[in-house]
Amino acid sequence: DGGITQSPKYLFRKEGQNVTLSCEQNLNHDAMYWYRQDPGQGLRLIYYSQIVNDFQKGDIAEGYSVSREKKESFPLTVTSAQKNPTAFYLCASGTGQFYEQYFGPGTRLTVT
Amino acid sequence: GNSVTQMEGPVTLSEEAFLTINCTYTATGYPSLFWYVQYPGEGLQLLLKATKADDKGSNKGFEATYRKETTSFHLEKGSVQVSDSAVYFCALSKLGNEKLTFGTGTRLTIIP
Repeated sequence: DGGITQSPKYLFRKEGQNVTLSCEQNLNHDAMYWYRQDPGQGLRLIYYSQIVNDFQKGDIAEGYSVSREKKESFPLTVTSAQKNPTAFYLCASGTGQFYEQYFGPGTRLTVT
Repeated sequence: GNSVTQMEGPVTLSEEAFLTINCTYTATGYPSLFWYVQYPGEGLQLLLKATKADDKGSNKGFEATYRKETTSFHLEKGSVQVSDSAVYFCALSKLGNEKLTFGTGTRLTIIP
C-alpha cells in the first residue's frame, strides 16, 4: 500500500527537550512538506523540500529543523527554541504538474 | 500574493440537507484548485480538484466547479450524511510555485 506514515501518533515531551517527528513516504514523490495545525486553526507551513539534500523555510520555521537525506524520508526536529511546540504536526508529499499534496495521519505533540 | 477565502464556520446541517461551502481565491493566471477534508484526529485527504477554468471536480457525491469569472470554487453536496462531519479546506497551487495556499477551513457538523 502506497502512502505516508508518521510516527508516533502521540508524543509527549518535557520542556527543554528536542524531539524528532518521523515522516516516511513510498509514493516516490519528489516534494515533502511539514505543517503545523493548532486547535481550530488552519495549516501553517514549517519547511518543505523539493529534492534530496535541499529544503526551504516555510512561514514558521523558527525553532524547527529538518533534513532530507533520502527521497522517502523528511524528519522534523522540534527544538527547545520553539516557544509553543504543543500542536498537531502534519507531513505531506507532493508531485506532478499541479502540486497536489497527500497527507500523513499526523503526530500530536504535547510538551509540558 | 495568492490567497484563499472560505466561508466562516461552523456550519451545522440536518442529514439529507443540501450543502454549499463557499471558496473564493485571489491569484494571477490560472491556479489549480483543491478541496481537502479532515476528519477528527486525522490528516487531510484530497477530496477533489480542478485544474482549469470550467472544470468540475467530483468525488463521494461532492462537486465543485472552477469559475474563473467569479474566482470561486464552491463545494456542494446534494444530500449530506452524518459521516460528512469534518473540516473542509479549500486550497490552490500555481505552476512554478510548489506550495499550496490553504483557506482557514470550515467545520461542518451534520445532525441526524
